[in-house]
Amino acid sequence: QQQVKQSPQSLIVQKGGIPIINCAYENTAFDYFPWYQQFPGKGPALLIAIRPDVSEKKEGRFTISFNKSAKQFSLHIMDSQPGDSATYFCAASRGGGADGLTFGKGTHLIIQP
Amino acid sequence: EPEVTQTPSHQVTQMGQEVILRCVPISNHLYFYWYRQILGQKVEFLVSFYNNEISEKSEIFDDQFSVERPDGSNFTLKIRSTKLEDSAMYFCASRGHYEQYFGPGTRLTVT
Repeated sequence: QQQVKQSPQSLIVQKGGIPIINCAYENTAFDYFPWYQQFPGKGPALLIAIRPDVSEKKEGRFTISFNKSAKQFSLHIMDSQPGDSATYFCAASRGGGADGLTFGKGTHLIIQP
Repeated sequence: EPEVTQTPSHQVTQMGQEVILRCVPISNHLYFYWYRQILGQKVEFLVSFYNNEISEKSEIFDDQFSVERPDGSNFTLKIRSTKLEDSAMYFCASRGHYEQYFGPGTRLTVT
């Protein structure tokens, strides 16, 4: 099964809070897990990605946590700002080949001032 | 910073017409992709292209669709006979090592 399940569907957080978005996958062949940020009318922009040889990766205010045994990964946004308001998609693929990304359904995040 | 570009940004066409969506991937990338996103929904993989041939395609990518890399820079998606349900944003992406970078998309409206 190729699905990637993402939750929550929408999320409202106060400025400075830490929104957490979760994803779960089923295909154990997946070995590359990126997160994309999308603003209305724009293309998905790569935020951060992780491979299963590490359990956590940080880039700036964005952190991915990865749990290989549970087949779950999550995105944390530290010190969230109103400009972070966007739709966030998790995705997964077999990174080494030409496989396309399988996306989650997205999380609409609103950061309130 | 290199980026994926796509043209046109908007395309309106009548049902049954052929459309060609164009993409210029990042110059040193070797893997190229097309995705679509119906309004308000998730991004869906259509096809991947490597070494001048299709590597993988999804169930969505039926005989109405074709891809081509006609020269060293462009990558195109052709829809032979458009249907109302083809209305969506179409994104091109290119890949270097592992990371896929997306273009700004073409909004296709079929009337």
